Amino acid sequence: SQQGEEDPQALSIQEGENATMNCSYKTSINNLQWYRQNSGRGLVHLILIRSNEREKHSGRLRVTLDTSKKSSSLLITASRAADTASYFCATDAGGGYNKLIFGAGTRLAVHP
Amino acid sequence: DAGVIQSPRHEVTEMGQEVTLRCKPISGHNSLFWYRQTMMRGLELLIYFNNNVPIDDSGMPEDRFSAKMPNASFSTLKIQPSEPRDSAVYFCASSLAPAGRPAEAFFGQGTRLTVV
Repeated sequence: SQQGEEDPQALSIQEGENATMNCSYKTSINNLQWYRQNSGRGLVHLILIRSNEREKHSGRLRVTLDTSKKSSSLLITASRAADTASYFCATDAGGGYNKLIFGAGTRLAVHP
Repeated sequence: DAGVIQSPRHEVTEMGQEVTLRCKPISGHNSLFWYRQTMMRGLELLIYFNNNVPIDDSGMPEDRFSAKMPNASFSTLKIQPSEPRDSAVYFCASSLAPAGRPAEAFFGQGTRLTVV
């Protein structure tokens, strides 16, 4: 069963614009991670935010986490055509095994 | 390291046949996960191992599915007999889970299974 739900399901923007994707989840978490998947490829880890963190940055990526609302957002600034991919949030409820439950993902299309 | 290696990359089989998917995790990683991805159901966690021991197989859809990890460098996911609804992309992922600290998962390229 899926833990997280992303919205929007699909997002289409122009190069240079910012892209914001949201993720909601249902149960308590130890950490939340965002992954990227290019068409026909495996998932690649982007960023991890722990439950006691509220915001994290990595290059053009900014992730926020609101545990009271059980939600997270991923912001990609100054998007590029190469950012076109599907983006997934994944939650880890803890327990020491790094067991990740993935949401349905957001398909991002960045047009030149 | 070459990353997580899955084989085959593509598999087409007839309904009723046995299918075996293979995975070599990243050397030194102690957790291994099998996921299935479909348009309808997204990414589903099927089973995961820690130190070669199956921890939770509650995501395995039916008894037709089985997974093994005979050693730290190899795992298999077997479907017997296969059915058309098993058609999906199957991913293997591994991670290093040191004493409960959070860690990222590394995914293989996946095996695209088509059952006709």
